[in-house]
Amino acid sequence: KQEVTQIPAALSVPEGENLVLNCSFTDSAIYNLQWFRQDPGKGLTSLLLIQSSQREQTSGRLNASLDKSSGRSTLYIAASQPGDSATYLCAGISGGYNKLIFGAGTRLAVHP
Amino acid sequence: GAVVSQHPSWVICKSGTSVKIECRSLDFQATTMFWYRQFPKQSLMLMATSNEGSKATYEQGVEKDKFLINHASLTLSTLTVTSAHPEDSSFYICSANRAFPGGGDTGELFFGEGSRLTVL
Repeated sequence: KQEVTQIPAALSVPEGENLVLNCSFTDSAIYNLQWFRQDPGKGLTSLLLIQSSQREQTSGRLNASLDKSSGRSTLYIAASQPGDSATYLCAGISGGYNKLIFGAGTRLAVHP
Repeated sequence: GAVVSQHPSWVICKSGTSVKIECRSLDFQATTMFWYRQFPKQSLMLMATSNEGSKATYEQGVEKDKFLINHASLTLSTLTVTSAHPEDSSFYICSANRAFPGGGDTGELFFGEGSRLTVL
């Protein structure tokens, strides 16, 4: 059974810091990985999708990488801002129906 | 971008009643939709995979007679919580797998805004 672990569970940093969020899978045989942002009481916003043929994706200040051999992914946030405060979820896709298995998330607080 | 709409966004009901939540893909077709539930400060737990025109596939431990799923068209899936009880109170989120024009899933998943159910 695929399980996803995210470290750290919570993070509080001052504005401007560069951040690294980690995600690992018990079964490294995932073929797509996605990072999401969730604001309190809201749905999910997709941030980055790394498909099976890719190793990393970048969007603005965000960069995500995937090491399939180890089943680990990293989300890098550059120059963090208070607006980045949210919960960040990683999810791996496995199975024929593209079932997403989620980690518990990292709750990020960026203070001015 | 593709939009998935959930309705209602929040609902309060009495114990023993049934509640229906709709998930619509507004500008694309989806042969596959997924239903998740999320408890406070916890991650999303997959409940079931909803397939257009066929029965849903439920995850282990999810009561299919409790959580009825219907995927009657390529743009609509519904989740009905039957005989709801306070322990069913949760945040329910759907996602839709965008389909290719000729059929088949693209693998692109889009999420609704969620529906918060409170059972008194």
